[in-house]
Amino acid sequence: GIQVEQSPPDLILQEGANSTLRCNFSDSVNNLQWFHQNPWGQLINLFYIPSGTKQNGRLSATTVATERYSLLYISSSQTTDSGVYFCAGGAGSYQLTFGKGTKLSVIP
Amino acid sequence: DGGITQSPKYLFRKEGQNVTLSCEQNLNHDAMYWYRQDPGQGLRLIYYSQIVNDFQKGDIAEGYSVSREKKESFPLTVTSAQKNPTAFYLCASSPDTFRQFFGPGTRLTVL
Repeated sequence: GIQVEQSPPDLILQEGANSTLRCNFSDSVNNLQWFHQNPWGQLINLFYIPSGTKQNGRLSATTVATERYSLLYISSSQTTDSGVYFCAGGAGSYQLTFGKGTKLSVIP
Repeated sequence: DGGITQSPKYLFRKEGQNVTLSCEQNLNHDAMYWYRQDPGQGLRLIYYSQIVNDFQKGDIAEGYSVSREKKESFPLTVTSAQKNPTAFYLCASSPDTFRQFFGPGTRLTVL
């Protein structure tokens, strides 16, 4: 099956800093999503982005499908951005394989 | 309010007992999913269902069972055959665009 590798595993930022999270895939995917899990366990879907670039406020994501990676950019980070960021991908439409996540801590 | 609900939030079970986790959605989504999350790990797919009365095994289906008798409901039963059931269980649903939306989760602890 598809392997998903996320980096870095842990990230500590000062409030206001920018960051880039990376997700590499072992094989081609046509379903790629980014999620944020808050400290209470709730997962929020940030982006569905099998290719191209999308932006939503301070967050943006870029997927280069031909090179099998995706990037999540967080600008002007806030303490509420803390949590774990997961990327997940799949070759089909329904099954997703999740990475182990990047744990982000934003300190005031 | 539209959304996905899971109950209970916390569940304690004795070894050897079956237990059923509830997942309901009122988003009119066709597909529903069950995932398991262990501490410090990503999510692993247990079962998914594309339509009513149909479901498929995911990567770790052994020791679990599901049913999909109604579009809005997708209960998961953790059976006594599941060797290590203590985990955080997450239910999700998706419309035909495949973007997945998650419920708040159920934390199951086996005593």
